[in-house]
Amino acid sequence: LAKTTQPISMDSYEGQEVNITCSHNNIATNDYITWYQQFPSQGPRFIIQGYKTKVTNEVASLFIPADRKSSTLSLPRVSLSDTAVYYCLVVLYNQGGKLIFGQGTELSVKP
Amino acid sequence: DAGVIQSPRHEVTEMGQEVTLRCKPISGHNSLFWYRQTMMRGLELLIYFNNNVPIDDSGMPEDRFSAKMPNASFSTLKIQPSEPRDSAVYFCASSRGGRNEKLFFGSGTQLSVL
Repeated sequence: LAKTTQPISMDSYEGQEVNITCSHNNIATNDYITWYQQFPSQGPRFIIQGYKTKVTNEVASLFIPADRKSSTLSLPRVSLSDTAVYYCLVVLYNQGGKLIFGQGTELSVKP
Repeated sequence: DAGVIQSPRHEVTEMGQEVTLRCKPISGHNSLFWYRQTMMRGLELLIYFNNNVPIDDSGMPEDRFSAKMPNASFSTLKIQPSEPRDSAVYFCASSRGGRNEKLFFGSGTQLSVL
């Protein structure tokens, strides 16, 4: 199974750009990389997904190098409301899209 | 769309009692997932269904846990008998079913077994 590794926690200040890097050394050819966000007392929420190079949406950007052994979630100009846990997941293609969550990165944004 | 609906929101029970958690997925979604979240173990995938059929239940901790999906709009997760170590937040999620489809999570059920 592809396993992901990401920092346990990160601190930032309002207005800064935050980059969270995740490693996934065993990613398979057809697997996708997905990021979710979780606030306290809520279920995780999809942020962004990609296969290679760069993906951008209204919330974040996702950078994936050519070897796909890592990925970086970039949150531009964070605010206090971005304080949450961020999970990097690999969608396991050969298991029908099974999603296994790692421990996540707890991001704390300070004023 | 109301999103994924779980009930109850909170459940407090005594050890040995039967607990039934309920989930209504988003209409039109073909896949349904049950997750359990604790501080120690994080988010664990218990079981998932595709078109109402259980595909992978390898995450179900033991025989005390069972899950059913009698139709496309309803699923249950049952624990019988419950134990204090089952205390956790249980999330249900649904998706359109494709391998890269994003999951939509419910608000979860906070279970406390005394």
